[in-house]
Amino acid sequence: DQQVKQNSPSLSVQEGRISILNCDYTNSMFDYFLWYKKYPAEGPTFLISISSIKDKNEDGRFTVFLNKSAKHLSLHIVPSQPGDSAVYFCAASGNTGKLIFGQGTTLQVKP
Amino acid sequence: GAVVSQHPSWVICKSGTSVKIECRSLDFQATTMFWYRQFPKQSLMLMATSNEGSKATYEQGVEKDKFLINHASLTLSTLTVTSAHPEDSSFYICSASTDASTDTQYFGPGTRLTVL
Repeated sequence: DQQVKQNSPSLSVQEGRISILNCDYTNSMFDYFLWYKKYPAEGPTFLISISSIKDKNEDGRFTVFLNKSAKHLSLHIVPSQPGDSAVYFCAASGNTGKLIFGQGTTLQVKP
Repeated sequence: GAVVSQHPSWVICKSGTSVKIECRSLDFQATTMFWYRQFPKQSLMLMATSNEGSKATYEQGVEKDKFLINHASLTLSTLTVTSAHPEDSSFYICSASTDASTDTQYFGPGTRLTVL
């Protein structure tokens, strides 16, 4: 049972435009959500996180939105840059401290 | 800061042999280390959680006799894939944390294992 789902395996956007990556979850016990960026043959790099008590968190070009009622979160990158091209994973955590990852979305930002 | 290394970065071995992967926290003490596995185009799957000086906690479906984890010190955890088979070929990633909180997990670069 996939508790964290990223239904779009890939996304292509033009440089300078907004990239929106989506993530859905099923477990209502999740209370902390994270986004990671991963390049091929490298480990994930932490990008941004959000607690379930918030609905938005912003850090520079990255903003994460959380809709608890819909069990949905999204990562907005604006403006998108070619260096943002990577695989983006969302992850969720509950009181166990374990991270449950989605399948990842490959973002390609075209110059 | 918060650098985690893994060694080797890639390894090719014959079926039936054992392979050891090291995960080191270079500039901090990691009370908890996590081992993940990633198949191509799939999500990272948590295999086990290890705390320094105690036995690892394995996720459901992960064979603890096949994937031996040792967290002997606050800076080193090892994963040994015993009697490797081609289906064990995967990308293995460790992460380290100063505590059990998830927002302080620092990931290693991963180890690509290919079993022939």
